[in-house]
Amino acid sequence: QKEVEQDPGPLSVPEGAIVSLNCTYSNSAFQYFMWYRQYSRKGPELLMYTYSSGNKEDGRFTAQVDKSSKYISLFIRDSQPSDSATYLCAMSTSNTGNQFYFGTGTSLTVIP
Amino acid sequence: EPEVTQTPSHQVTQMGQEVILRCVPISNHLYFYWYRQILGQKVEFLVSFYNNEISEKSEIFDDQFSVERPDGSNFTLKIRSTKLEDSAMYFCASSTDGNQPQHFGDGTRLSIL
Repeated sequence: QKEVEQDPGPLSVPEGAIVSLNCTYSNSAFQYFMWYRQYSRKGPELLMYTYSSGNKEDGRFTAQVDKSSKYISLFIRDSQPSDSATYLCAMSTSNTGNQFYFGTGTSLTVIP
Repeated sequence: EPEVTQTPSHQVTQMGQEVILRCVPISNHLYFYWYRQILGQKVEFLVSFYNNEISEKSEIFDDQFSVERPDGSNFTLKIRSTKLEDSAMYFCASSTDGNQPQHFGDGTRLSIL
């Protein structure tokens, strides 16, 4: 069931570059959108959490949600080698219980 | 910063044996979840748990799986008769309520031989 699509990469960028990560989805009932970062052999770590459409900024990270296009993005400014990880998008509906639907994850390497 | 802790980090079990994976959610969280991630695949939802009962489960969570909150701090996933295809990373997560983001532990790597 391909509810959430994410390009697995790998993506390799030089240090300082702007990184754009994207997910598309098919279920118009999704209301909550998350980005997680996952380092090797670790659990997903929450980066950004947004509700419905719009932008949210936190330091070097900006999350965008376009519900009309069923498209979400994560931008990383001034990328650092420590940003090298797998980035997972996740989303859920507004029902209680809230299972998250994850993308496959995009593997990012930031080269010093 | 409070975190979700999972034990063991790696569990090796013979096919057909029962296994219990353990989690300590963040202390003020009320919703608890189990996910699994087969190598190279997506993180998949298994079950959510609230107020001492299952609130939602996926098709993966069949009769061989069960969850329990045996005391005020632990949350467990039991797999009754393990199969080779149960080999995966199992992640526990918790949240303050059903609409808040879920915080994940570092997972238990389950290897079925």
